Amino acid sequence: AQSVTQLGSHVSVSEGALVLLRCNYSSSVPPYLFWYVQYPNQGLQLLLKYTTGATLVKGINGFEAEFKKSETSFHLTKPSAHMSDAAEYFCAVGYNAGGTSYGKLTFGQGTILTVHP
Amino acid sequence: GAGVSQSPSNKVTEKGKDVELRCDPISGHTALYWYRQSLGQGLEFLIYFQGNSAPDKSGLPSDRFSAERTGGSVSTLTIQRTQQEDSAVYLCASSLRGGPNYGYTFGSGTRLTVV
Repeated sequence: AQSVTQLGSHVSVSEGALVLLRCNYSSSVPPYLFWYVQYPNQGLQLLLKYTTGATLVKGINGFEAEFKKSETSFHLTKPSAHMSDAAEYFCAVGYNAGGTSYGKLTFGQGTILTVHP
Repeated sequence: GAGVSQSPSNKVTEKGKDVELRCDPISGHTALYWYRQSLGQGLEFLIYFQGNSAPDKSGLPSDRFSAERTGGSVSTLTIQRTQQEDSAVYLCASSLRGGPNYGYTFGSGTRLTVV
């Protein structure tokens, strides 16, 4: 079974400060890991994903995440926050093992990021 | 179409009524997923379609919920005898094929309010 834990339902940073959103996962098979962003009244937009290969993944809008198998973590970072980064962020895990649940994602509870001027 | 389209965008219904939510996936995407997002919670998986078949219905919360997909394209999620706890945003996503390596595109969702 898979699960995702996002530490901190709300994170607040100042504009220009480092953004760090934490995600830990549990998976019995090699995971595929995702970060999505959701702006108010919109669907989810993919920020980045880890499938295989390089463990440091770069995404859109200056975000990146590092897959650390030993820590079962996939934390999202951005060196310098912008006001436009204010949104809700979701970490998700999936796996590519076929079967009836092929492609289903398990999501974390979400982290609301607030950026102060 | 260019993206995943969901309709209606907002739906207010009285308790006990039936509702239908529609999802138009990206043309050619064989996999389609329904998720539910309740206030203060993450996304909850409901059902997965591959073509017109639903190999995974494990997330449907009760027998009041059903879904179908026709022509390998449009999907309809039906909730019968709606209850207040059904109030949520229902999101649809499509993928070229099943499997996370193909990526997912989400629609903007249908916000359902049961009064």
